[in-house]
Formats: sequence, structure tokens, C-alpha cells
Amino acid sequence: GQQLNQSPQSMFIQEGEDVSMNCTSSSIFNTWLWYKQDPGEGPVLLIALYKAGELTSNGRLTAQFGITRKDSFLNISASIPSDVGIYFCAGQNGGAQKLVFGQGTRLTINP
Amino acid sequence: SQTIHQWPATLVQPVGSPLSLECTVEGTSNPNLYWYRQAAGRGLQLLFYSVGIGQISSEVPQNLSASRPQDRQFILSSKKLLLSDSGFYLCAGTMGEAQETQYFGPGTRLLVL
Repeated sequence: GQQLNQSPQSMFIQEGEDVSMNCTSSSIFNTWLWYKQDPGEGPVLLIALYKAGELTSNGRLTAQFGITRKDSFLNISASIPSDVGIYFCAGQNGGAQKLVFGQGTRLTINP
Repeated sequence: SQTIHQWPATLVQPVGSPLSLECTVEGTSNPNLYWYRQAAGRGLQLLFYSVGIGQISSEVPQNLSASRPQDRQFILSSKKLLLSDSGFYLCAGTMGEAQETQYFGPGTRLLVL
């Protein structure tokens, strides 16, 4: 089946640093989504991307839909303590009713 | 705005007991609905999804079943729980015309002892 390779699996950074994570796939996706999950809670949608090449920002977060449709990245600028959590990418192939999820990137911020 | 509710938030059940987890959706009609399970520190495993009342698709063979008795209600059940059923269960749904974008509920943490 389709798989998403999300990297890195974990990140340990200092407060104020920028963060970059990405997802790649051997399959083409028509939609890329980025979620953040806090401990004990459901994932929250951060950014949705619907067109190849699309670059979208949400505050300090920026995500791009790769031109090949096989990858996406998420950047966080000037990290703050509340950015701690697990970030998931997800992709959807047009017509499919399901999302394919990456395994997550766990972000830890040292004060 | 759209909201997904899950009940209960936490559940501790003995092995062999039945299970019923409920998910309800507000603010939209005819959503696609999904049940996921998440082991501690792990990714999301899709268990079931539904595109309409009474329509259930199962993704993995298991000890669980799902039902959709109403448009905005999705239920996850088991007749006899196993230890391996412990985990964090998440309900998700699509909203409006963006059928490819899923929104998650707060989750139910299940511990089977």
C-alpha cells in the first residue's frame, strides 16, 4: 500500500530556532495535510495544501506541496514552547476516501 | 463551525467485557467518518470508515466493529475486549465540500486490564 516517509522522527531544538520537517512518498497525492497533536488530545489541522507547488502560511508555520506531488515540507519559524508535540503529515490520492499518514515527528524544545 | 465529540474520554475495562465508543458530529451533514487507533507514541492506524448511514468499510481484521446508525453518529464496538485493544481511539470526519480534509475529535483512551 501507499506509505509516507516522514522525517526526522524526532527533533530536539532550542527555543527560538527554526524547524523543518518533511514527508516523501513514492506515490502521487492530490492533497497534503499537516496536523499537530498534543499529548492526550486529537490531532489538530494546521495547514491543508491542494495544488502542486502551493506554498501556504499559518502564522509562524509554512508548508509547501511539492511540485512532483510526492513530497511536502513544514517549517516552523522562531519556535516557542507551545510548539512542542507530534507533527503528522497526511496525503490523499484523488478519489480515495482515506488519508495516508506519516509516522510523525516529535518536537521537543529545550528552554 | 464543525465539531466532533467523542464519549467517553477515558475508559478502563476488564478483558472479555463489551465496548461501545461513540462519536457524534455537529455543524455538517453527510460527512465521511473514520475510526483510528493510536498506540502510545505511534502513528495513526485506520480501523473503519463510513461514507454514509449503514455503510462501513473495515481496514484491518480485528476484534472490533463499527456502525453508523445516523448521519452524524459513528460507533465503535466490541463484544469481548482483548488486552491488545488498549489504545487511544480517535474519530475523524470530513466537513462540507472539502471531503479530503479530516478533522479529529478529542479521542478516547481505553485501557483493558
